[in-house]
Amino acid sequence: AQKITQTQPGMFVQEKEAVTLDCTYDTSDQSYGLFWYKQPSSGEMIFLIYQGSYDEQNATEGRYSLNFQKARKSANLVISASQLGDSAMYFCAMRENNHGQNFVFGPGTRLSVLP
Amino acid sequence: GAVVSQHPSWVICKSGTSVKIECRSLDFQATTMFWYRQFPKQSLMLMATSNEGSKATYEQGVEKDKFLINHASLTLSTLTVTSAHPEDSSFYICSARNTHAVGYGYTFGSGTRLTVV
Repeated sequence: AQKITQTQPGMFVQEKEAVTLDCTYDTSDQSYGLFWYKQPSSGEMIFLIYQGSYDEQNATEGRYSLNFQKARKSANLVISASQLGDSAMYFCAMRENNHGQNFVFGPGTRLSVLP
Repeated sequence: GAVVSQHPSWVICKSGTSVKIECRSLDFQATTMFWYRQFPKQSLMLMATSNEGSKATYEQGVEKDKFLINHASLTLSTLTVTSAHPEDSSFYICSARNTHAVGYGYTFGSGTRLTVV
């Protein structure tokens, strides 16, 4: 079974608008971390935001915020005021703290920001 | 912030030759590094977990004799693709965890695009 699901293979958003990228996860661990990474065409993985399973408040980092709904096991990324440079692949990832230190990545969502 | 340097960024090699990729943590010590493989338009798949001073732990389906991992120091892990074939062409990316960083501490290298001809 997929541990990380990203149901949107591709998304379009108008410049300056907000966009939500979906992520749902599956784990039986009580302690885990959720991450979002941006991968531009150059290939590097750029860390965007982190949410711990015990964090009661939604994480925010500048224009990025994470809509964490623990009971629904969802961790959607919200990008406000989209910019052309936001066009990239976005990956949701999870680290289960009782299953080693490695990440499990979702299939990714390709975001295209339209001028 | 923590920096992971990966080298080379791209390499073209002939079928049957071996290629070494280096992943180096520049300003922190990483007892554990991770190697991922990414095919075009797909996600990152963990290949192996590299532990300093001990044998790497390979994911199911990854040939350990083909993908040799050496983590001889706290700042360097290497992945050697032995007897490379065209099907090994892919994007390889490493990651290291800075255990002294606040919160998460994972940093990725910039990746290596391997093309076997």
